[in-house]
Amino acid sequence: LAKTTQPISMDSYEGQEVNITCSHNNIATNDYITWYQQFPSQGPRFIIQGYKTKVTNEVASLFIPADRKSSTLSLPRVSLSDTAVYYCLVGDINRAGFQKLVFGTGTRLLVSP
Amino acid sequence: ETGVTQSPTHLIKTRGQQVTLRCSSQSGHNTVSWYQQALGQGPQFIFQYYREEENGRGNFPPRFSGLQFPNYSSELNVNALELDDSALYLCASSVGQDYGYTFGSGTRLTVV
Repeated sequence: LAKTTQPISMDSYEGQEVNITCSHNNIATNDYITWYQQFPSQGPRFIIQGYKTKVTNEVASLFIPADRKSSTLSLPRVSLSDTAVYYCLVGDINRAGFQKLVFGTGTRLLVSP
Repeated sequence: ETGVTQSPTHLIKTRGQQVTLRCSSQSGHNTVSWYQQALGQGPQFIFQYYREEENGRGNFPPRFSGLQFPNYSSELNVNALELDDSALYLCASSVGQDYGYTFGSGTRLTVV
């Protein structure tokens, strides 16, 4: 599975847009990019997943450049409740058989008033 | 509501004891995985079950074992507990093989 690199922490203020970039230089052709959010003492929560270009849902947008060696999770107008750890994962979701999710240390986002 | 329920939420055990953690997945979720998360770290994969068979394992010793049952529940058993086993244990389930796993809130295990 491709290794990912994210910033350890980020700070923001309520109402701002937050962009968290993840680097995955060794991403394979069949790999998808997935982001999870985790609050303290809770399990990770699936946010968004994509393969190329742009994906948007009700929570976030995911931007993936043509070379797919990085991706950016964009959170519009963050609130205090967006304070959490965000994980970027890369892997082949269509691969038959066993899969595992490989989490790094994630990015700790702190949103202040 | 996550659809994945873990019990107990907190547990304190003594070194050398054995522990069983339980997970109840959503109906139809035939893939279940267990993760260990130490404080300040990302979750680490322990093993995965697919249709009641273990089909993948991370870098954990054999004293970590599991079971998956036909009713979409599963167990994580840890024998001969060590202090370093203190962590949040997470169960995640999925329909088939995709990355949209649903995680439970975890069991906080403290070994003293």
